Amino acid sequence: QVQLQQWGAGLVKPSETLSLTCVVEGESFIDYYWSWIRQAPGKGLEWVGEINHNGKTNYKPSLKSRLSISVDTSKRQISLKLSSVTAADTAVYYCARREDSSFGRLDHWGQGTQVTVSS
Amino acid sequence: SYVLSQPPSVSVAPGQTATISCEENNIGSKSVHWYQQKPGQAPILVIYYDRDRPSGIPERFSGSNSGNIATLTISRVEAGDEADYYCQVWDRSTDVVFGGGTTLTVL
Repeated sequence: QVQLQQWGAGLVKPSETLSLTCVVEGESFIDYYWSWIRQAPGKGLEWVGEINHNGKTNYKPSLKSRLSISVDTSKRQISLKLSSVTAADTAVYYCARREDSSFGRLDHWGQGTQVTVSS
Repeated sequence: SYVLSQPPSVSVAPGQTATISCEENNIGSKSVHWYQQKPGQAPILVIYYDRDRPSGIPERFSGSNSGNIATLTISRVEAGDEADYYCQVWDRSTDVVFGGGTTLTVL
């Protein structure tokens, strides 16, 4: 059974960089994309970006200039960095496993990390 | 861009059937997945590939997808089904897309 455990700084100052990490425990690390999804207070789910074990990334176009997602296969870790943050980046951030196919279901999720952007 | 439209809210009495729609032009050509999210919790997958249920999801949850509308149906609704529900598709040009979410209220 796969488990995703995530952590990162819960409070980030405006204009600084948000950093989160997700570690994958259990099943295979390859054959999947590892996605980041966020949810602003009282809002819906927003896909942020993803990476596979080969380092191939897909980013939400509106975040692409500020976003970096990396992978460390030896540690089974995925990391997200979002630079120049503003209050609009305040959200709960989730990592999730997406099947690498044209179907693209997200079948396992991390517990979520609340990130607040405030001075 | 791909925009999945869901009703903001659906209300149903216990024991009745709840229907939540997810609309987009020709959504029937894609595979639709549904997630349930309760307050303070991460979403969980309740329907995938339009109509399949992960292990542990009650048979009361079912899905369909045809034409311009996908539907999540919850039969014999219970108080514990009260949650937000999101539809989702993947497209090569738009990657992962979520619907706006529907709040299910059990009266």
